[in-house]
Amino acid sequence: GQQVMQIPQYQHVQEGEDFTTYCNSSTTLSNIQWYKQRPGGHPVFLIQLVKSGEVKKQKRLTFQFGEAKKNSSLHITATQTTDVGTYFCAGQGGSQGNLIFGKGTKLSVKP
Amino acid sequence: DTGVSQDPRHKITKRGQNVTFRCDPISEHNRLYWYRQTLGQGPEFLTYFQNEAQLEKSRLLSDRFSAERPKGSFSTLEIQRTEQGDSAMYLCASSSLGGRTEAFFGQGTRLTVV
Repeated sequence: GQQVMQIPQYQHVQEGEDFTTYCNSSTTLSNIQWYKQRPGGHPVFLIQLVKSGEVKKQKRLTFQFGEAKKNSSLHITATQTTDVGTYFCAGQGGSQGNLIFGKGTKLSVKP
Repeated sequence: DTGVSQDPRHKITKRGQNVTFRCDPISEHNRLYWYRQTLGQGPEFLTYFQNEAQLEKSRLLSDRFSAERPKGSFSTLEIQRTEQGDSAMYLCASSSLGGRTEAFFGQGTRLTVV
């Protein structure tokens, strides 16, 4: 079945440093989505990427979808303490496909 | 519509008992997902519905788990003969079909089996 792998599992950075998390699917995806979960909260949608090679930006966050539509990355420039949380990618295969989550990358930011 | 709601928020049960959780999705959403999440892990897919049809159920899921979505509206997840390993947060999410298919999550039901 479809599997989504995410690395690293944890990332500790100093405030102001950059952060990147990587996501890899075992199968070609129709789209990939990114979510953020704060401690004690539920996953909250950040963005959806659909096209091969797509790059989207949200302020300091840059999301990329690989050419083969099997991998993706999230990059945060100049992290802030408000970026703390766990970032999940979720892959969807086909129009009828379910949404499979990676294990997430937990980001901690030291002020 | 205020979003996805789940009931109860917390459930403590004795091992061997049956429990049932309810999820009310966003009203116009066709898709409804159930996930299980334990501490430090990502949401683990359990099952999902498109309207009232259950399209897929995780192969890792025990036969003790069953879900329904009568009339394509709310959904229930039942766990029979609970075990301590069932202790987790059970998350429900809903989404629309086509275009943006982002999932909107409820607050979850935290199950503790003692």
